[in-house]
Amino acid sequence: GNSVTQMEGPVTLSEEAFLTINCTYTATGYPSLFWYVQYPGEGLQLLLKATKADDKGSNKGFEATYRKETTSFHLEKGSVQVSDSAVYFCALSLVSGGYNKLIFGAGTRLAVHP
Amino acid sequence: NAGVTQTPKFRVLKTGQSMTLLCAQDMNHEYMYWYRQDPGMGLRLIHYSVGEGTTAKGEVPDGYNVSRLKKQNFLLGLESAAPSQTSVYFCASSRDWGMNTEAFFGQGTRLTVV
Repeated sequence: GNSVTQMEGPVTLSEEAFLTINCTYTATGYPSLFWYVQYPGEGLQLLLKATKADDKGSNKGFEATYRKETTSFHLEKGSVQVSDSAVYFCALSLVSGGYNKLIFGAGTRLAVHP
Repeated sequence: NAGVTQTPKFRVLKTGQSMTLLCAQDMNHEYMYWYRQDPGMGLRLIHYSVGEGTTAKGEVPDGYNVSRLKKQNFLLGLESAAPSQTSVYFCASSRDWGMNTEAFFGQGTRLTVV
């Protein structure tokens, strides 16, 4: 079936550290891939996306590259800030069973301290 | 900008009680969705709507009903709550229907059924 697996959290980093959150997927066909972020007390919001193989999505210093050969979409940031503390969700989108499905991973909590 | 607003934010129900969760969006979006999120799992789609007056089942629809009488509102009902429905519920909306479409989320409703 179609699914998204992301690394378990929490991930705890010091400010200015390098961040990687792993995400791999299983899908029939060619999905689009997304990272959503949920800041404390808020709803999920789109962070970045990639719609085809080798595309790189980027936003707010975060990047992720759509790797078809490894079915991965790992999220990276070179230097995290305290304000990046949030829960990060990897997701894929495809048409299945007659409707457009947005399938999420379980989420990874990131805590950044000074 | 309000975006997507969910009410209530928290609720405790006794087994067998009923309640309605309200989702309102002010972006004139056609498509609206209800998800649930459980520990260690991604968001799972309960029901969705592709326009005013329409509803359809998602991945986990049992025990829930929905209505979309007005374009801006999408209601999720629990007729007879069960402990298995303890979860965090997210409403979302999107402008159109497609694999690359961004979804906008509410803040979530934390429901506990005792």
